[in-house]
Amino acid sequence: DADVTQTPRNRITKTGKRIMLECSQTKGHDRMYWYRQDPGLGLRLIYYSFDVKDINKGEISDGYSVSRQAQAKFSLSLESAIPNQTALYFCATSEGGQLNTEAFFGQGTRLTVV
Amino acid sequence: GESVGLHLPTLSVQEGDNSIINCAYSNSASDYFIWYKQESGKGPQFIIDIRSNMDKRQGQRVTVLLNKTVKHLSLQIAATQPGDSAVYFCAESFQGGSEKLVFGKGTKLTVNP
Repeated sequence: DADVTQTPRNRITKTGKRIMLECSQTKGHDRMYWYRQDPGLGLRLIYYSFDVKDINKGEISDGYSVSRQAQAKFSLSLESAIPNQTALYFCATSEGGQLNTEAFFGQGTRLTVV
Repeated sequence: GESVGLHLPTLSVQEGDNSIINCAYSNSASDYFIWYKQESGKGPQFIIDIRSNMDKRQGQRVTVLLNKTVKHLSLQIAATQPGDSAVYFCAESFQGGSEKLVFGKGTKLTVNP
């Protein structure tokens, strides 16, 4: 079983619809992240959370919201999806702190907004 | 590597050759750097990391070099194999700040048999 699991893996939705992408992890890490990947633009940080009560905006948070339901769960919502949110979305976790910032990624969710 | 427009920098090498992938990072305060490998259809995977108090670190067939003066990071892959074909990203973070990872735009490596 994967340490970081994203659901769904693929999703097609219509403009204006609300959609939630889910992420769960079994690594016991406090820190969780949502990234968006577009061709030629690498990975851009949407939101991140360093513990259950901590939520921080990344560089491209507009149009997105997140919820950290538990240490192991971090969901990303698009309240009203638009076509330019079509992208590959990755959830990641890290142990964090001075010891290690290495991030472990899920397999990704390919979202298409039509 | 940094990309221009929507096109990833690409590097094509012959199997068995050494590969060098370059990355320019943006924050002079960054003190921790990672190289990730992303194969088609998969999430990025950790390859090697380096802290700013070092200028070189070696792993198995991979070496990362850090030049803080010019904010440059490179990944060297020895005896490149077809399985090394992937997109490679560098990432930086500032451990004394928010500690979040900021990624470069990636370089696509193709290994020709």
